Amino acid sequence: KQEVTQIPAALSVPEGENLVLNCSFTDSAIYNLQWFRQDPGKGLTSLLLIQSSQREQTSGRLNASLDKSSGRSTLYIAASQPGDSATYLCAVPSGGYQKVTFGTGTKLQVIP
Amino acid sequence: GAGVSQSPRYKVAKRGQDVALRCDPISGHVSLFWYQQALGQGPEFLTYFQNEAQLDKSGLPSDRFFAERPEGSVSTLKIQRTQQEDSAVYLCASSFERNRAISGNTIYFGEGSWLTVV
Repeated sequence: KQEVTQIPAALSVPEGENLVLNCSFTDSAIYNLQWFRQDPGKGLTSLLLIQSSQREQTSGRLNASLDKSSGRSTLYIAASQPGDSATYLCAVPSGGYQKVTFGTGTKLQVIP
Repeated sequence: GAGVSQSPRYKVAKRGQDVALRCDPISGHVSLFWYQQALGQGPEFLTYFQNEAQLDKSGLPSDRFFAERPEGSVSTLKIQRTQQEDSAVYLCASSFERNRAISGNTIYFGEGSWLTVV
């Protein structure tokens, strides 16, 4: 059974700092990995999707890397802003294309 | 529509009451998912539809939970005889992909239906 762990569970940083969120998974036979953002009281918004053949994906100030062999992914946020405050979740396919396993998330607070 | 729409957004049910949660996926999306998210946790898979066919219901926690998508668009998640442990956010998501829901295309989530059982 795929298990996904995210560290840290919560993070508070001053505005402008660069930061790294970590995601690890137990079954490395994955097709892809996706990072989501969840704002309080809201659904999930997809940020980045990395295919298993890729090592990283970039979107604006966000960069996600994937190391399948070690079962790890990182989400790098450059020059953090208060608007980045949210919970960040990583997700991997589990036991089939359509079933996805989520981590428990990292709750980020960026202080102005 | 422009996004995945869920209703009701908030529901308070008395223990033992039946509830029905509705999901309107993005038009044309083949795949539809239901997830359950407890407070402080990541979403947990409940069930998956490809058009009107329910291909995977392995995540449904008990036989009190039932989902349907009779015409391959709108889906309803029904919970019978609700219990306090059913209190959670129920998230619906859809994807254009047929059977590789997350391998190539993004899945889009609704804002969820927040269920509180008292």
